[in-house]
Amino acid sequence: DTGVSQDPRHKITKRGQNVTFRCDPISEHNRLYWYRQTLGQGPEFLTYFQNEAQLEKSRLLSDRFSAERPKGSFSTLEIQRTEQGDSAMYLCASSLGIQGRGNTIYFGEGSWLTVV
Amino acid sequence: AQSVAQPEDQVNVAEGNPLTVKCTYSVSGNPYLFWYVQYPNRGLQFLLKYITGDNLVKGSYGFEAEFNKSQTSFHLKKPSALVSDSALYFCAVRDPLSEAGNNRKLIWGLGTSLAVNP
Repeated sequence: DTGVSQDPRHKITKRGQNVTFRCDPISEHNRLYWYRQTLGQGPEFLTYFQNEAQLEKSRLLSDRFSAERPKGSFSTLEIQRTEQGDSAMYLCASSLGIQGRGNTIYFGEGSWLTVV
Repeated sequence: AQSVAQPEDQVNVAEGNPLTVKCTYSVSGNPYLFWYVQYPNRGLQFLLKYITGDNLVKGSYGFEAEFNKSQTSFHLKKPSALVSDSALYFCAVRDPLSEAGNNRKLIWGLGTSLAVNP
């Protein structure tokens, strides 16, 4: 399968614990995105990488959230000191960076986080 | 301000009948428009997009969408619905004049739940 893959698919954690999600984008895609989605809502943009550079972070991304893409390939999203409000599905997506082409974003299956 | 509206929270249609899921948008320039489908507990799957050219765009699984600039709409259609089409459908728009070169500023609708009854 050459799509975007995310791990783990489901995570249940106690409030205050740290969690980390991993995303492997489509291999030739240089752009990688993290979104968050809650029930009944569309995806909310969190952050974006072009190669290894993190070019933008949403105001939704508090200091407890950190994302990395150290070699421009896979990415990790870490949430420290989780809160119940962090419970959501975290979606990773990737795209080719060809300017002016309306590049299609391809999503992974998502990582469900439940904070209890 | 850029926005996307999906005016129907839910659409119900009988199997074999045509379906339409509505989307209207507001951008300052010529829009890039996308449709995605989401099955329960799954990620979003790309269906189709309009960038330029023919107003009628054909996509995956027999879906198509028509770009109507005068009505600022991009409704998703399928001639004959299947029970397996039951899912959540999202419309998204980007103004190519804003933040050129990437899709981080995609504006998403709230989704329309499609139920196809056997």
